[in-house]
Amino acid sequence: DQQVKQNSPSLSVQEGRISILNCDYTNSMFDYFLWYKKYPAEGPTFLISISSIKDKNEDGRFTVFLNKSAKHLSLHIVPSQPGDSAVYFCAPNTGNQFYFGTGTSLTVIP
Amino acid sequence: DAGVIQSPRHEVTEMGQEVTLRCKPISGHDYLFWYRQTMMRGLELLIYFNNNVPIDDSGMPEDRFSAKMPNASFSTLKIQPSEPRDSAVYFCASRERGSGLDTQYFGPGTRLTVL
Repeated sequence: DQQVKQNSPSLSVQEGRISILNCDYTNSMFDYFLWYKKYPAEGPTFLISISSIKDKNEDGRFTVFLNKSAKHLSLHIVPSQPGDSAVYFCAPNTGNQFYFGTGTSLTVIP
Repeated sequence: DAGVIQSPRHEVTEMGQEVTLRCKPISGHDYLFWYRQTMMRGLELLIYFNNNVPIDDSGMPEDRFSAKMPNASFSTLKIQPSEPRDSAVYFCASRERGSGLDTQYFGPGTRLTVL
C-alpha cells in the first residue's frame, strides 16, 4: 500500500521557467515532510523540508507548500536551471520512518 | 567525515548465490537504514537499526534477506539465495536524532544485478 504517491514520473521544463513537482499522501499522522534530490549513480541528498505546522517553507529558489487538508505537498523551483535535472523524491516522516514516493524525474532544458 | 560508505558499488551475481552488501554509517549517527530502489516501487525501507539494534524489519521482503549491525560503524545486508527479482539499487542511510536537521544521509548505493 503506497502511502506516498508522486503521480508524474517525469517532467520537462525550459530553463528559467518554474518547475512544480507534486506529492500526495494518505497518512494523516505524517508530521514532517522532506524533499530529496537524486543524481544518477549517487544517493539521494536532502533538499528542503517543512513541518506540519507550516504551509510554506522557502529556501532560495526552492519553495515547498503543504496543504494538510488535501494531503498534498508540492515543490516549486524557480527559476529552473539545468543543474536541477535530477530525480526528486518526497519523503513524509512520522516517528523514525521516512516514507518515500516513487520519484519524479525533472529535466531542465537549456 | 567521508559520509556513508557502501561497498561494493556494483555487484553482478548468478541466481542462487549469496550476496552481501556492506555499509559504514557516519560516525556518531545512531540510526541506520537499508533501502531498496526499484522503478516500480521507488525507495522502500527494508529495515532500520537504532544503536545497533534492529527496530523494524517489516520491509524485508522474505526470509532470504537478513541484516546485521555488529557495531556502530558497520552493517551488512545479506541475500541468500539471490533471485533475479532482487536486482535493484540498495541504499544505506544514517541519521542522528536531535542534530537539529532531522534528515537521513544516504550512501551512494550498491547496484545489484542477479542473472
